[in-house]
Amino acid sequence: SAVISQKPSRDICQRGTSLTIQCQVDSQVTMMFWYRQQPGQSLTLIATANQGSEATYESGFVIDKFPISRPNLTFSTLTVSNMSPEDSSIYLCSVQQSRTSEQYFGPGTRLTVT
Amino acid sequence: RKEVEQDPGPFNVPEGATVAFNCTYSNSASQSFFWYRQDCRKEPKLLMSVYSSGNEDGRFTAQLNRASQYISLLIRDSKLSDSATYLCVVNRDPEDGGSQGNLIFGKGTKLSVKP
Repeated sequence: SAVISQKPSRDICQRGTSLTIQCQVDSQVTMMFWYRQQPGQSLTLIATANQGSEATYESGFVIDKFPISRPNLTFSTLTVSNMSPEDSSIYLCSVQQSRTSEQYFGPGTRLTVT
Repeated sequence: RKEVEQDPGPFNVPEGATVAFNCTYSNSASQSFFWYRQDCRKEPKLLMSVYSSGNEDGRFTAQLNRASQYISLLIRDSKLSDSATYLCVVNRDPEDGGSQGNLIFGKGTKLSVKP
């Protein structure tokens, strides 16, 4: 499976600021996704990061709040904009090589908003 | 009905025990099924995919019953290192409004294996 890294691994941010999370994969992958895991909860898909076009967002998530870039097949960023304490969560990227294969996750970014 | 439901746990078992986790899913059009394990403060890691014919990987056996929309995971001869949260994961049918590859995660079942 691909090796996935995320930066930063954790951060503490002030309300109203924005944070950009990077996801780097060591090989080209077909699909990349961004998930959120709130404390004590399971994972929820935020969006699919599409290479060369706008991301596809799930219900409840919007581009203004979570802008996503995917400039190539090995890299993506997720920005959490105008943060509030409710955005405190773990943000994870995942990759999938083909339509029917499994997803593999990065180590996650633990975000705390004060 | 929740999209993916699991036994809430926690399951506290002694080393060497056999433990079974159950999961039901609501979307009959789902095509892909997985078990992931998640250690505390870590990312989910794929444990195994679940195939219609059932599949086994060492001490782990996964089974799928499409008619009942039911998935199970059996762990034999539990080890201390098996302690983790086990996530039942199902893909959402893209025609149901989900994006390709959209996975629906259950809330997980926590397993604690004691000496």
